[in-house]
Amino acid sequence: GAGVSQSPSNKVTEKGKDVELRCDPISGHTALYWYRQSLGQGLEFLIYFQGNSAPDKSGLPSDRFSAERTGGSVSTLTIQRTQQEDSAVYLCASSPRRGENTEAFFGQGTRLTVV
Amino acid sequence: AQTVTQSQPEMSVQEAETVTLSCTYDTSESDYYLFWYKQPPSRQMILVIRQEAYKQQNATENRFSVNFQKAAKSFSLKISDSQLGDAAMYFCALGANDMRFGAGTRLTVKP
Repeated sequence: GAGVSQSPSNKVTEKGKDVELRCDPISGHTALYWYRQSLGQGLEFLIYFQGNSAPDKSGLPSDRFSAERTGGSVSTLTIQRTQQEDSAVYLCASSPRRGENTEAFFGQGTRLTVV
Repeated sequence: AQTVTQSQPEMSVQEAETVTLSCTYDTSESDYYLFWYKQPPSRQMILVIRQEAYKQQNATENRFSVNFQKAAKSFSLKISDSQLGDAAMYFCALGANDMRFGAGTRLTVKP
């Protein structure tokens, strides 16, 4: 596609349920990033992928969070046993290669609400 | 570890005036890029300007320019002739091993 696509755009889930958030990066982009943005706040780094590998998983808030990327393309962020504090906008971005010299292109985000 | 610090949670500027947003960063990498992104209420992140660390000349894009002080690890954004459409959250970002963002500065433009 022309840009980074995230789905769903909005998700309301009950506390304790599992959710999957999907990111389709721009075709050919090898680097993929996930961020969390709470209301009116900055971008909290969660994880990034270079190809299918995630060199740094230290940003994941807890072991309830996991992410994978297959075929060097689509990525899924999974949150198990959701809690109310997980409510936020989850942003995905991709870039042609690892961060140092190219901008990150962002999707529109998934707004997650845990009730 | 790479960190980005924006010490101004909120800034305000009069239309047509100039405003400067501050950013400091830390990295052990010698090659890196710095970025300013704008996030309007639509939530879409828009690249405003980028700076290559190996270039001494400050980047400029129309009304937007940066003051890059490599030794001080400082990267401020200057917006000249501010317009109502400039009102948004502005994020400073460091692209080294990965891409890290600051906490953001909310800019208000007064008519």
